[in-house]
Amino acid sequence: EDQVTQSPEALRLQEGESSSLNCSYTVSGLRGLFWYRQDPGKGPEFLFTLYSAGEEKEKERLKATLTKKESFLHITAPKPEDSATYLCAVISNSGYALNFGKGTSLLVTP
Amino acid sequence: GAGVSQTPSNKVTEKGKYVELRCDPISGHTALYWYRQSLGQGPEFLIYFQGTGAADDSGLPNDRFFAVRPEGSVSTLKIQRTERGDSAMYLCASSFPEGNEQFFGPGTRLTVL
Repeated sequence: EDQVTQSPEALRLQEGESSSLNCSYTVSGLRGLFWYRQDPGKGPEFLFTLYSAGEEKEKERLKATLTKKESFLHITAPKPEDSATYLCAVISNSGYALNFGKGTSLLVTP
Repeated sequence: GAGVSQTPSNKVTEKGKYVELRCDPISGHTALYWYRQSLGQGPEFLIYFQGTGAADDSGLPNDRFFAVRPEGSVSTLKIQRTERGDSAMYLCASSFPEGNEQFFGPGTRLTVL
């Protein structure tokens, strides 16, 4: 059975304090690994797709990386507007549904 | 362009009532997905449509839940005899058939009293 575990559950950073969020996964053949951002009361917003180990993607202060067992979302010099829940999900080769972790709730204080 | 839209944004109903939740996907997206999200959890898959047919409904929790997509565009999630445990955020997403990126709507917050 596919499993996605995210850590930490919650993270509090000072503005400008860089850090990383972790997503560990087990899947029977990886079709893709996805990162989403979710603000309270809203739907998830797509950030990145990673398909194979060694792949990296960047967008503004965010950088996502992938190995065979985990993915990291690196946040460089975060700002208060980066505060949100970050969700990781996988799709296996046997289907098309996203299998999500529980998310990491990020709070960036001024 | 317009994103995925969902109506209503909020729905409050009483236990035992019937509810319908609507999803309008991004134009040109033939794949449509329904997910349910409880507080503090990630979204959980319910059902996936490719065109008009349900390609995978393995996530529907029981036979009180049903979804249709009669013309391959708008979809309706139907819940019969609602229970308090059905209270959650119901999310719809759409994608191109060959693409894997799913784009989500704003969700419908369902509260069963």
